[in-house]
Amino acid sequence: KAGVTQTPRYLIKTRGQQVTLSCSPISGHRSVSWYQQTPGQGLQFLFEYFSETQRNKGNFPGRFSGRQFSNSRSEMNVSTLELGDSALYLCASSSGQHSRYSGANVLTFGAGSRLTVL
Amino acid sequence: GESVGLHLPTLSVQEGDNSIINCAYSNSASDYFIWYKQESGKGPQFIIDIRSNMDKRQGQRVTVLLNKTVKHLSLQIAATQPGDSAVYFCAEKPPGAGGTSYGKLTFGQGTILTVHP
Repeated sequence: KAGVTQTPRYLIKTRGQQVTLSCSPISGHRSVSWYQQTPGQGLQFLFEYFSETQRNKGNFPGRFSGRQFSNSRSEMNVSTLELGDSALYLCASSSGQHSRYSGANVLTFGAGSRLTVL
Repeated sequence: GESVGLHLPTLSVQEGDNSIINCAYSNSASDYFIWYKQESGKGPQFIIDIRSNMDKRQGQRVTVLLNKTVKHLSLQIAATQPGDSAVYFCAEKPPGAGGTSYGKLTFGQGTILTVHP
């Protein structure tokens, strides 16, 4: 069973540009979440999509946006890039099934897209 | 201004020792807690989770303990192996996210575990 696939794995942009990152979830998973990971702030939640609808949004400016397609694939976009947007962007998918013991919905993460803004 | 990187706690152990990684969580109303492991160049990998109404749960070579009185979570790894070397994160599901909000978690800063052969 294929895992979560994120593309591209690495990319370099300059300030002011925009970027689109792609995430293909595990087959059958309908929930996709995005996280930003930086040395300064750690892992921070960006947003979550379920069945093409945004369910939750983190505390990020409007330059960060996303969407989900009918096949559950998701994209996130960052416009007007700033130096501080340099980060590892992680996508995680889940089935929506809760753990028998905790109620947790297990997230499976991709390897991430490492964005460098110059 | 210049951002300051997180100074992650570190834990160094010898192969075969038991490891204990600690985490202080922030919200006493969180529904459940999860431990993730992140190896270099990879995304976080699920290890084990525990519901807020439990105080202990065991998995294969791992045990998670939850102390709600002091808002403390720990991960115990038995017979630690070099392959366990990674950054370990605790995460909590914040309240109010709703039953249909599956993916919003609040992560701790992480602990670097190094296992020496």
